[in-house]
Amino acid sequence: GDSVTQMEGPVTLSEEAFLTINCTYTATGYPSLFWYVQYPGEGLQLLLKATKADDKGSNKGFEATYRKETTSFHLEKGSVQVSDSAVYFCALAESARQLTFGSGTQLTVLP
Amino acid sequence: KAGVTQTPRYLIKTRGQQVTLSCSPISGHRSVSWYQQTPGQGLQFLFEYFSETQRNKGNFPGRFSGRQFSNSRSEMNVSTLELGDSALYLCASSSGDRDTEGYTFGSGTRLTVV
Repeated sequence: GDSVTQMEGPVTLSEEAFLTINCTYTATGYPSLFWYVQYPGEGLQLLLKATKADDKGSNKGFEATYRKETTSFHLEKGSVQVSDSAVYFCALAESARQLTFGSGTQLTVLP
Repeated sequence: KAGVTQTPRYLIKTRGQQVTLSCSPISGHRSVSWYQQTPGQGLQFLFEYFSETQRNKGNFPGRFSGRQFSNSRSEMNVSTLELGDSALYLCASSSGDRDTEGYTFGSGTRLTVV
């Protein structure tokens, strides 16, 4: 079945550092890929998405490129802020009926 | 545009009791999905409803059930609660037509079973 593997956390960075959170997936077809973010005490917010190979999703300075050849969708940001501290989830959808999530990566950004 | 509304936000129940959680999707969305989030198992899919029909179901025991009403509001029920059912239950809504749009999540219901 479908699965998503995320980089183990937690990740701790200083403000303005470069962020990469690795995500690889296994799917039978050509899924849509998503990054969600969860702030403490809240639900999930869609951060960005890519729906076909070589698409780049971007939002709030975060980017991720759908790489079919490496089945990857790594999240990057050039300069993190303290307000980016949250848990980040990579997810895939092969249909409109279900999301499959990775285990989540806790990011802490120190001032 | 109102978001996804889940009620209640917090709930404390005793083992053996049953509980009903409610979710109101974004207006116009016909698909509602439910997920269980725990520190040990992460985010796990429970079920998805579209136009009052269950289209997909995850690997949970029959104690977990749900339904969707004609106005797309959904309820989730857990009977004979166990300690391990303590979790954050998240509801998500979408149009339900395509896999490309992603979902909008509610803030969740935090269930504690004692």
